[in-house]
Amino acid sequence: KAGVTQTPRYLIKTRGQQVTLSCSPISGHRSVSWYQQTPGQGLQFLFEYFSETQRNKGNFPGRFSGRQFSNSRSEMNVSTLELGDSALYLCASSPTGGIYGYTFGSGTRLTVV
Amino acid sequence: EDQVTQSPEALRLQEGESSSLNCSYTVSGLRGLFWYRQDPGKGPEFLFTLYSAGEEKEKERLKATLTKKESFLHITAPKPEDSATYLCAVQAGYGGSQGNLIFGKGTKLSVKP
Repeated sequence: KAGVTQTPRYLIKTRGQQVTLSCSPISGHRSVSWYQQTPGQGLQFLFEYFSETQRNKGNFPGRFSGRQFSNSRSEMNVSTLELGDSALYLCASSPTGGIYGYTFGSGTRLTVV
Repeated sequence: EDQVTQSPEALRLQEGESSSLNCSYTVSGLRGLFWYRQDPGKGPEFLFTLYSAGEEKEKERLKATLTKKESFLHITAPKPEDSATYLCAVQAGYGGSQGNLIFGKGTKLSVKP
């Protein structure tokens, strides 16, 4: 059974650019969540999508956005990149969310220079 | 405000030396408490979900317990391969609603042979 797949694994971008990260959940999982992980703040929730609708959103600026497609694949976009956006971005999928447990991907390491 | 605090931040053990990691939490309406293991450069790997005070779960050398204010992850006779960062997270929610995972900053465990 394939796990959660995130692409690309590594990314280097210049300040001011925008970036799109992709996540393919486990087959049959309809909930996809995104988290940002940094050494100082740990894992922080960005947003959750369920059946193509944003169900929950964390405290991040509007530069961070996402969407989910009908096949449950999800993308997140960060516009006008800042140096502080350098982090490991993790995607997690779940059958319906939460209490059934989340399975995480290996993440996309974004470096902003 | 919902929050999760893990202690200690780092723990160094000799192989075979048992110990416990602590996760204290304050949350309105606990739906579940999760333990994850994270290896360097990888996404968190699901270990346990605990739902109510008094619940215990075991997996190999790991045992997780839950009270109304905290959870412990007991590691019995650890091996070097148990070295990793252990993350605790809670999910809050009322009725049919469910919130996102709120993570602690983790305990970095090193087991020396």
